[in-house]
Amino acid sequence: DTAVSQTPKYLVTQMGNDKSIKCEQNLGHDTMYWYKQDSKKFLKIMFSYNNKELIINETVPNRFSPKSPDKAHLNLHINSLELGDSAVYFCASSQRWDSGTAYEQYFGPGTRLTVT
Amino acid sequence: GNSVTQMEGPVTLSEEAFLTINCTYTATGYPSLFWYVQYPGEGLQLLLKATKADDKGSNKGFEATYRKETTSFHLEKGSVQVSDSAVYFCALINYGNTGKLIFGQGTTLQVKP
Repeated sequence: DTAVSQTPKYLVTQMGNDKSIKCEQNLGHDTMYWYKQDSKKFLKIMFSYNNKELIINETVPNRFSPKSPDKAHLNLHINSLELGDSAVYFCASSQRWDSGTAYEQYFGPGTRLTVT
Repeated sequence: GNSVTQMEGPVTLSEEAFLTINCTYTATGYPSLFWYVQYPGEGLQLLLKATKADDKGSNKGFEATYRKETTSFHLEKGSVQVSDSAVYFCALINYGNTGKLIFGQGTTLQVKP
């Protein structure tokens, strides 16, 4: 009965490889997010989808490509991995965003990506 | 632009001590403010929130009051426990900002028995 789940929990790979992280939520939310947490614990938004439509795309290298097959899933694909991509990636979801209300975001357990 | 600043950590306290973690923000308009907690090896959990000036958020003995005049949202707890050891993040969402959370840098709290 996990609300927001991510797979895998740990991912160790070599530079230049392509990898994907999957996220699923069973809360019936319309909006999903990807955040990156660096080695100093700093968290920054990467992407957000509202019912499969991209609404936030921060300054992220185009090697990162989110894909939302349906509103319950938001996957993150990373091409040509670099050492600097090593971080913890968190998926989150919330009720449909609108400009008048700030809804609570529910976070997944995170995926620790290590690029060697 | 929008930003959040938290006090530098780590903060080390003895059990039953009083906790304050300072948080100030910069934002246009009237953001909603949040405290999230991250226990070791886990994701973030919402601890409390406040959506307008003078609102007080509270949960599990933690409290924070939205102070517009000082642009602050300081986290307090009267008596900390070892189980409160975690990283605490102050964050805001600004209306019209497409719902993205803007986080402070996090403050590590370590409570010793």
